[in-house]
Amino acid sequence: EVQLLESGGGSVQPGGSLRLSCTASGFTFSNYAMSWVRLAPGKGLECVSLIYSVTSSTNYADSVKGRFTISRDDSKNTLYLQMTSLRAEDTALYYCAKIGYGDYVDYFDNWGQGTLVTVSS
Amino acid sequence: QSALTQPASVSGSPGQSITISCTGANNAVAIYNLVSWYQHHPGTGPKLMIYEDTKRPSGVSDRFSGSKSGITASLTISGLQAEDEADYYCCTFAGSKTWVFGGGTKLTVL
Repeated sequence: EVQLLESGGGSVQPGGSLRLSCTASGFTFSNYAMSWVRLAPGKGLECVSLIYSVTSSTNYADSVKGRFTISRDDSKNTLYLQMTSLRAEDTALYYCAKIGYGDYVDYFDNWGQGTLVTVSS
Repeated sequence: QSALTQPASVSGSPGQSITISCTGANNAVAIYNLVSWYQHHPGTGPKLMIYEDTKRPSGVSDRFSGSKSGITASLTISGLQAEDEADYYCCTFAGSKTWVFGGGTKLTVL
């Protein structure tokens, strides 16, 4: 059974930093792309960042580009999201999601329970 | 503003069928851009319900089905049950290694 467990969320002041972690089990972590998706209060889901397997090629939403860094440690089956220069609008539940490979297009096939990030003075 | 538009809310009584639409702007949902659907109960992680427009993952009830016509994808839930009450999101690949989600639809089971 695939399990994704996020940690590292908390309360931080604007301009501060946080590092989220996602520990994976139940599948061969190194074979799959992984992502962070957030759900802000009163808003819909937003794919914040993605990292592919093998190449570790990454992508970021415009809203976080230059402030967030996604990385992975395949030896520890762990995904990370380093968040800096945090803003109030970054307040959200952050989910770790595994990418599933379809015949034609990929999708988010497994999700964690989420970790809450609150940015407030 | 999302490139995928969903109704803010839909409702139905137990046993009925409901359909949630997902309409693409700027060709975000076209015949070649396949859609996935996610169910989200507050306090839990989202759950994949449909991928590549019509495919259902193992373990998802066959009461859930997906379809697409032109630039509008749809999720239909038949035989509505109380546990179906949740938020539902559509999603499509937007190119350049990015995905876009719809704004979400709150389903209320009356």
